[in-house]
Amino acid sequence: NAGVTQTPKFQVLKTGQSMTLQCAQDMNHEYMSWYRQDPGMGLRLIHYSVGAGITDQGEVPNGYNVSRSTTEDFPLRLLSAAPSQTSVYFCASRRVGGQPQHFGDGTRLSIL
Amino acid sequence: GDSVTQMEGPVTLSEEAFLTINCTYTATGYPSLFWYVQYPGEGLQLLLKATKADDKGSNKGFEATYRKETTSFHLEKGSVQVSDSAVYFCALTIASGNTPLVFGKGTRLSVIA
Repeated sequence: NAGVTQTPKFQVLKTGQSMTLQCAQDMNHEYMSWYRQDPGMGLRLIHYSVGAGITDQGEVPNGYNVSRSTTEDFPLRLLSAAPSQTSVYFCASRRVGGQPQHFGDGTRLSIL
Repeated sequence: GDSVTQMEGPVTLSEEAFLTINCTYTATGYPSLFWYVQYPGEGLQLLLKATKADDKGSNKGFEATYRKETTSFHLEKGSVQVSDSAVYFCALTIASGNTPLVFGKGTRLSVIA
């Protein structure tokens, strides 16, 4: 079972560049979410989705866009990267009303 | 809003020592509680959970009891191993289906031989 797959694993960007972080799950989970992990801050929710066509903002949505056109995929877009967005990004999925939440292995993003 | 507070690390223990990582929460509803573990270079994995008061979650020698009266869910293990070195996250969600997980800031545990 692939579970939650994130690509790329590592990326370096220059300030102002755009990028899409990919997330795919093969468990038919309705609920998907994006977190960023920063030292001393734990995991903070960026955006989440409870199904195709439905997205909502989390704690730190500014600078990020998401869409959910299929159940399987939940890409995260940075339209104009900023150094403050240097972080490790995790995608997660679960059934609505269910646990546990399954996490991908993360994307380590550095913005210069 | 809902929040989770866990003890700050890092925590460094010798092998076979007793481990406690404290976790307390505030929640407007009746939460389910979780401990997740993150090994180096990996994503988070569910370690254990409890969904109602006085429930005890357990896995891999780790235990935590849902204490509603003290709003706590402390993680314990009687004898840690080097392989337990990781970051541990306490988390909650209100069990209504669509609410996101709320995480604590994580506690890094290092176990030395």
